[in-house]
Amino acid sequence: IAGITQAPTSQILAAGRRMTLRCTQDMRHNAMYWYRQDLGLGLRLIHYSNTAGTTGKGEVPDGYSVSRANTDDFPLTLASAVPSQTSVYFCASSVVRGTEAFFGQGTRLTVV
Amino acid sequence: DAKTTQPPSMDCAEGRAANLPCNHSTISGNEYVYWYRQIHSQGPQYIIHGLKNNETNEMASLIITEDRKSSTLILPHATLRDTAVYYCIVILRNSGNTPLVFGKGTRLSVIA
Repeated sequence: IAGITQAPTSQILAAGRRMTLRCTQDMRHNAMYWYRQDLGLGLRLIHYSNTAGTTGKGEVPDGYSVSRANTDDFPLTLASAVPSQTSVYFCASSVVRGTEAFFGQGTRLTVV
Repeated sequence: DAKTTQPPSMDCAEGRAANLPCNHSTISGNEYVYWYRQIHSQGPQYIIHGLKNNETNEMASLIITEDRKSSTLILPHATLRDTAVYYCIVILRNSGNTPLVFGKGTRLSVIA
């Protein structure tokens, strides 16, 4: 049973570099999400996708892009990383938006 | 979506019931109450949800007041592994426009 898988688990990235965080789910969920979590700020929604082929912006979308070419995958791309993007990133999915969400174990990203 | 208010922290003795309150006085008639928890360094975990009736599953019980303005999550026999941040969220279920927004939650410490 895999559920939702994120890769890499952790990464140290030089500022200005491009980075794609991977997220894959095998539950055939329609909706997927990306959150970042920073100390003292809680979980904040970056981008979401209600179904394959559609995406939307969350609370803090600037500096990030997503794509949803198929049901299973929802990669998050940092085109040119900055130190303020140092955070723990969580991917999640749910059957449809507004139902129980299942989260991955997170990617710890450090931009130096 | 209705806003929720939770105490920032609570302690509970191991083996005792943990009762976590949540105020959602502006909840609308078709909004559900969801609870998630996040154990340190892990992704959030869905616990339970309800509309107006009390609910119970293998993890917890959810008690919703008759006027639906508040609810209580009950962990009947708390263990050290229940130490986590607990989030109460009010959302429209099955709505394509429903964002899953996390507040600060309640940090529950279960003490031996």
